[in-house]
Amino acid sequence: DTEVTQTPKHLVMGMTNKKSLKCEQHMGHRAMYWYKQKAKKPPELMFVYSYEKLSINESVPSRFSPECPNSSLLNLHLHALQPEDSALYLCASSPMRVAGPQETQYFGPGTRLLVL
Amino acid sequence: AQSVTQLGSHVSVSEGALVLLRCNYSSSVPPYLFWYVQYPNQGLQLLLKYTSAATLVKGINGFEAEFKKSETSFHLTKPSAHMSDAAEYFCAVSEDYGGSQGNLIFGKGTKLSVKP
Repeated sequence: DTEVTQTPKHLVMGMTNKKSLKCEQHMGHRAMYWYKQKAKKPPELMFVYSYEKLSINESVPSRFSPECPNSSLLNLHLHALQPEDSALYLCASSPMRVAGPQETQYFGPGTRLLVL
Repeated sequence: AQSVTQLGSHVSVSEGALVLLRCNYSSSVPPYLFWYVQYPNQGLQLLLKYTSAATLVKGINGFEAEFKKSETSFHLTKPSAHMSDAAEYFCAVSEDYGGSQGNLIFGKGTKLSVKP
């Protein structure tokens, strides 16, 4: 299994809703990432988990709440989002076999979120 | 801080022509550089990466890139374009947080169009 899966593929939610995005990998990777990608823009890092612990939070608003229940699963809980949060949310993972920035990140297909 | 600049937000080539996508980096330390491709409504797929082992890096789908320290460049090339190469291409540098994994800093992307 060499892929990162994300569910749902599409999500429409109101500003008062609570929803969650799910990301899963079975490659034994120990680092997992959430990125946000607005239309016609590059991905921007939101969170990084290393060994199931949050290691990087790029000053993301608290209406986004990440969770890493185990080494294969990464969630992003959404609450009280704004229309400007509409974007493609990408999950990625990397092995962490070698410490440092040279490792490849493997991306999932993303969840396209629309906030009304 | 490290960064990458992609010259040309849109490149158009004819099928069978040379593909050249430009990327220049800014880094005070030896960089780790990546090229990713994103097809419409999909996640990112790694094409190739530079980790200082060799200056000419061969990737998937016939792409290659050459690291030139004197020019601070890591341009992506393919000798003969196919229609299936039409996509968005991102150059990225991996920033070392001083921990155990890196943070990908993406360029703004170059959209490649291939004309029949």
